[in-house]
Amino acid sequence: DAGITQSPRHKVTETGTPVTLRCHQTENHRYMYWYRQDPGHGLRLIHYSYGVKDTDKGEVSDGYSVSRSKTEDFLLTLESATSSQTSVYFCAIRDTNEKLFFGSGTQLSVL
Amino acid sequence: GIQVEQSPPDLILQEGANSTLRCNFSDSVNNLQWFHQNPWGQLINLFYIPSGTKQNGRLSATTVATERYSLLYISSSQTTDSGVYFCAVEGGGGSNYKLTFGKGTLLTVNP
Repeated sequence: DAGITQSPRHKVTETGTPVTLRCHQTENHRYMYWYRQDPGHGLRLIHYSYGVKDTDKGEVSDGYSVSRSKTEDFLLTLESATSSQTSVYFCAIRDTNEKLFFGSGTQLSVL
Repeated sequence: GIQVEQSPPDLILQEGANSTLRCNFSDSVNNLQWFHQNPWGQLINLFYIPSGTKQNGRLSATTVATERYSLLYISSSQTTDSGVYFCAVEGGGGSNYKLTFGKGTLLTVNP
């Protein structure tokens, strides 16, 4: 168990509203990631972090921002949610053996 | 960026059968991992295998980095092996700490 908690587990929101998803880890790993999973696309990287206040974009970063003010927390924000952002969002950490471990996911529906 | 192709996209087996899943990638890699996503959506890390062969119970994996492919073997399959298997790679020269996922192989094991 890599000690990763995602919240909320499920969320339904309306188009145009802001949404923040939280990822919390208990083991002080340096690297944290946000992926989205959609049918036919597998998992695609949104943003990742390599330390406090150090973040970088992934392949599908448009419409998303992230913040990491503490080692243990990595936040993903949709500033103005759109229906195309309906997806399952996974947070992951990279351990000291370079292995990736995932949280349980957040199912987000934008109506 | 690096491209990842998995085959077959779908596979149906009877319990007890063996199977081989393939992952092809387009460039040199310094990190390759296999994951299993169970029917409840949980993502489990199976192997970290940038090269060589590893075994864990009924599962084994081989990566031939010089020929740009990796294989996941499942022997004596069980219904609990059902789900989607993903290959993920990091490479293309330097280490950028970003794993790119294939689209997965959907495995169904029937009793």
